[in-house]
Amino acid sequence: DTGVSQDPRHKITKRGQNVTFRCDPISEHNRLYWYRQTLGQGPEFLTYFQNEAQLEKSRLLSDRFSAERPKGSFSTLEIQRTEQGDSAMYLCASSLGGIIGTDSEAFFGQGTRLTVV
Amino acid sequence: QKEVEQNSGPLSVPEGAIASLNCTYSDRGSQSFFWYRQYSGKSPELIMFIYSNGDKEDGRFTAQLNKASQYVSLLIRDSQPSDSATYLCAVKDYKLSFGAGTTVTVRA
Repeated sequence: DTGVSQDPRHKITKRGQNVTFRCDPISEHNRLYWYRQTLGQGPEFLTYFQNEAQLEKSRLLSDRFSAERPKGSFSTLEIQRTEQGDSAMYLCASSLGGIIGTDSEAFFGQGTRLTVV
Repeated sequence: QKEVEQNSGPLSVPEGAIASLNCTYSDRGSQSFFWYRQYSGKSPELIMFIYSNGDKEDGRFTAQLNKASQYVSLLIRDSQPSDSATYLCAVKDYKLSFGAGTTVTVRA
């Protein structure tokens, strides 16, 4: 296991279509994060899992967005009825969390670049 | 006020010089601080983390943390053209909160 893996790397979709992205974290990491990044900005937090539990969703995550991590391993992020404003880099990161308040460093995958036309 | 603010760039330095990057954060209770490097079109790459006040050195990089002033910095010594990238400051409780980044260009 060499790191966080995301698939696909690039996705072009027509407005109104649904898309799904996958993230495979570092195998021993129990925490998984999704971020979105647009040009010239830092990554913006979308949602966070500890094992299979989704513990927080950002206000940025509208009802069209849903994320799952069914077995506490890989995660999927689905965007329904895509809009041009959804065009961005979608980043996944993972870390090893211990007791509340402790956590290891977070490492990012290569990202999925979404273009909505 | 944004949670994490970085000094505006871009920052241009000659090869061999020191690049100095600054970051302030709003949550006084923050405990973990990170610097990521991001090349154009690529994902962020962790280069430094610091948890305690003071300096932490790793090769040509030095991170400095002052929790009383809510200030984190990154020094890049002997800057190389390969250091040209955007540097992201991040503060972590259970999630990372990022600044907008500072773009550094090292002139050969």
